[in-house]
Amino acid sequence: QKEVEQDPGPLSVPEGAIVSLNCTYSNSAFQYFMWYRQYSRKGPELLMYTYSSGNKEDGRFTAQVDKSSKYISLFIRDSQPSDSATYLCAMENTGNQFYFGTGTSLTVIP
Amino acid sequence: KAGVTQTPRYLIKTRGQQVTLSCSPISGHRSVSWYQQTPGQGLQFLFEYFSETQRNKGNFPGRFSGRQFSNSRSEMNVSTLELGDSALYLCASSSFSSSYNEQFFGPGTRLTVL
Repeated sequence: QKEVEQDPGPLSVPEGAIVSLNCTYSNSAFQYFMWYRQYSRKGPELLMYTYSSGNKEDGRFTAQVDKSSKYISLFIRDSQPSDSATYLCAMENTGNQFYFGTGTSLTVIP
Repeated sequence: KAGVTQTPRYLIKTRGQQVTLSCSPISGHRSVSWYQQTPGQGLQFLFEYFSETQRNKGNFPGRFSGRQFSNSRSEMNVSTLELGDSALYLCASSSFSSSYNEQFFGPGTRLTVL
């Protein structure tokens, strides 16, 4: 079993839709939970990070972490064509090692 | 500040050859991590260097090695290339200046093994 599981998609939504991206994990030692966005031919860039359980909001983006279920989510409100990218979840344990999901490809259609 | 730079951006090699990839971190960042990204496996951690010492290592064979220089620049070497080594190799740097260790990624080196 992989440490982090993420549905690869692809996901295609109309502009303005709410997008929900999810990951599950198996290691209870993970403490930091992150979402990265990766455009084609670029490296991943950090969107948001959350420490432990709870919600965090940044503009149109909301990250949720449920440690009891080992489940994290990223919600994108009022999705825009510029949001079209691959979204990667990632987690960090106390040993400063990062574990990434395989990424979900998102296309927002104008 | 300039971002993380990686050279070369593209490489084509044949099986059995070896390759060296280079990464220059953001100025002041002392930690450099390397990842292999493939469509099926996603990003997989190779190793992390901090102040010229390998601090963490992922589950890759010994053909994959790295080093870090005193100016924090890092190189990754893959010997005896196999077809399965075709991937995007990403390097990320971080500063450890706050409680959260944000990683900044470079654009990657696309390696194709024929």
